[in-house]
Amino acid sequence: GDSVTQMEGPVTLSEEAFLTINCTYTATGYPSLFWYVQYPGEGLQLLLKATKADDKGSNKGFEATYRKETTSFHLEKGSVQVSDSAVYFCALSDPGDYKLSFGAGTTVTVRA
Amino acid sequence: GAVVSQHPSWVICKSGTSVKIECRSLDFQATTMFWYRQFPKQSLMLMATSNEGSKATYEQGVEKDKFLINHASLTLSTLTVTSAHPEDSSFYICSARAKLSNQPQHFGDGTRLSIL
Repeated sequence: GDSVTQMEGPVTLSEEAFLTINCTYTATGYPSLFWYVQYPGEGLQLLLKATKADDKGSNKGFEATYRKETTSFHLEKGSVQVSDSAVYFCALSDPGDYKLSFGAGTTVTVRA
Repeated sequence: GAVVSQHPSWVICKSGTSVKIECRSLDFQATTMFWYRQFPKQSLMLMATSNEGSKATYEQGVEKDKFLINHASLTLSTLTVTSAHPEDSSFYICSARAKLSNQPQHFGDGTRLSIL
């Protein structure tokens, strides 16, 4: 079945540092890929997505590129802020489906 | 658009009581809703999928008699934790599928359940 493997945390960074969170997936077809963010005590918010190979999703300074050859969807941000402290989840869904498979989540803490 | 409201956000109750959590789609009709459970520092575990007007489909290992799910209308699904015990303490999150949306599910803000 489909699965998502995500870099384990926690990750602690200083403000303005570069952030990378690795995500790889296993799927039989060509899934859509997502990054969700969860702030403390809240539900999940969609951060960005990509639906086909070589697509780049971007939002709030975060980027991730759908790499079919490496089955990866790594999340990056060039200069993090304290407000980026959260848990980040990589996820996938099969085409035409609405069920999501989540990675384990990566806790990111940004210090001033 | 596509806002999902979950209520209550936090509940504390005594062991043995039943607790109901509501999940509402505020500005769209949700034919399908999902219930997740999240343990501290862990990912979301899908508990069940509910479709309006029919019985919920539970994931393997989830007790359907313990976690009662009702999806009586296109905008409301409820999860009732029956005879709750401390091991049921967790963060419960609902989500809903919205047609013509750019994402597969829209999530509520979750309910923190603490059983004493």
